[in-house]
Amino acid sequence: AQKITQTQPGMFVQEKEAVTLDCTYDTSDQSYGLFWYKQPSSGEMIFLIYQGSYDEQNATEGRYSLNFQKARKSANLVISASQLGDSAMYFCAMNPESNRLAFGKGNQVVVIP
Amino acid sequence: DAGITQSPRHKVTETGTPVTLRCHQTENHRYMYWYRQDPGHGLRLIHYSYGVKDTDKGEVSDGYSVSRSKTEDFLLTLESATSSQTSVYFCASRQQGATEAFFGQGTRLTVV
Repeated sequence: AQKITQTQPGMFVQEKEAVTLDCTYDTSDQSYGLFWYKQPSSGEMIFLIYQGSYDEQNATEGRYSLNFQKARKSANLVISASQLGDSAMYFCAMNPESNRLAFGKGNQVVVIP
Repeated sequence: DAGITQSPRHKVTETGTPVTLRCHQTENHRYMYWYRQDPGHGLRLIHYSYGVKDTDKGEVSDGYSVSRSKTEDFLLTLESATSSQTSVYFCASRQQGATEAFFGQGTRLTVV
């Protein structure tokens, strides 16, 4: 079974600074997808960004970018120019060939004014 | 946004009673998922479905069963609820090859 690891403790980041959230995964599949979701205190799951295992370019969506290092099996999320509204829990997820979409335990981010 | 709804949104039930949570999607998505979210554990997969009547277990399937008789509905049943099943339950759906999975609003279940 695949495993997704997010090990950072709660993170505090200054407003307007960049923050990197680490995610490593373990799979023997050749084809898979990587996702990041945001969960604010209100509880909903908000999709942020997707990276396919065969995509040669790192994915970017506005202030979000995914630093994909396939050989190291890492898919770190970079949030640039942090805003107060970025305070939330962030989840990394992987969808393997079986389509058994699995999530990591999450990273808590608090943005400080 | 994809139409995916969960019902009920909140439920309090007694230990030993059966409980069914419903997930309904209007996007004709092939894949549907049930997760539970507990502090310190993130989202853990309970069961998932890859088509009508096609389901498989996730990492925390003990005590749960599912059914998918129609593309749009995925039901999660706790046959005999226990206090350890107190949690927030999320349903998600995704189309084959899609780059996004869509989530329901979540169901907060309390077993007393």
